[in-house]
Amino acid sequence: QKEVEQDPGPLSVPEGAIVSLNCTYSNSAFQYFMWYRQYSRKGPELLMYTYSSGNKEDGRFTAQVDKSSKYISLFIRDSQPSDSATYLCAMSSYTGGFKTIFGAGTRLFVKA
Amino acid sequence: GAVVSQHPSWVICKSGTSVKIECRSLDFQATTMFWYRQFPKQSLMLMATSNEGSKATYEQGVEKDKFLINHASLTLSTLTVTSAHPEDSSFYICSAHGLGQGERDTQYFGPGTRLTVL
Repeated sequence: QKEVEQDPGPLSVPEGAIVSLNCTYSNSAFQYFMWYRQYSRKGPELLMYTYSSGNKEDGRFTAQVDKSSKYISLFIRDSQPSDSATYLCAMSSYTGGFKTIFGAGTRLFVKA
Repeated sequence: GAVVSQHPSWVICKSGTSVKIECRSLDFQATTMFWYRQFPKQSLMLMATSNEGSKATYEQGVEKDKFLINHASLTLSTLTVTSAHPEDSSFYICSAHGLGQGERDTQYFGPGTRLTVL
């Protein structure tokens, strides 16, 4: 079993839709949870950074962490064609040495 | 946020030559830098982790004599692909982590370097 599971998609939605992206993980030691956006032929860009369980909102983006279920989500409201990219979840742990694990990434297409 | 630069953004070289890629954290001190490789439509593959002033830790299957990593300062790490071959052609991405530095206490990525070996 992989430490982090993320559906690679692709996920195609119409402009204006609410997008839900998810990851599950198996290691309860993870404490920090991130979402990155990567456009084609570019480096990943940090979108959201959260510590422990709860919600965090930034503009059209909301990140949710449910540590009891080992499940994290990223919601995109009013999706735009410019949101078309690959979204990677990531999580970090300092237990036994610093470690960050990335999901495989979900490819999102927002159609105009 | 934090800014990480990479240079060059793309490079084409002949087989057998060596190529150096620089990664710099511009507005914070990177206690740790990471080097990734990414093939088209695939996820990031961690190659090595480097801490300032110490030897890099390579992931299994990555040849340390072929991919030389130097982390000479808290703002600069370099990856040198030695005796490059066409199969080394890929997108190389670095990231920098500012441990204990507030919002820098996570990985920030550079824009990537596309290497093509002819």
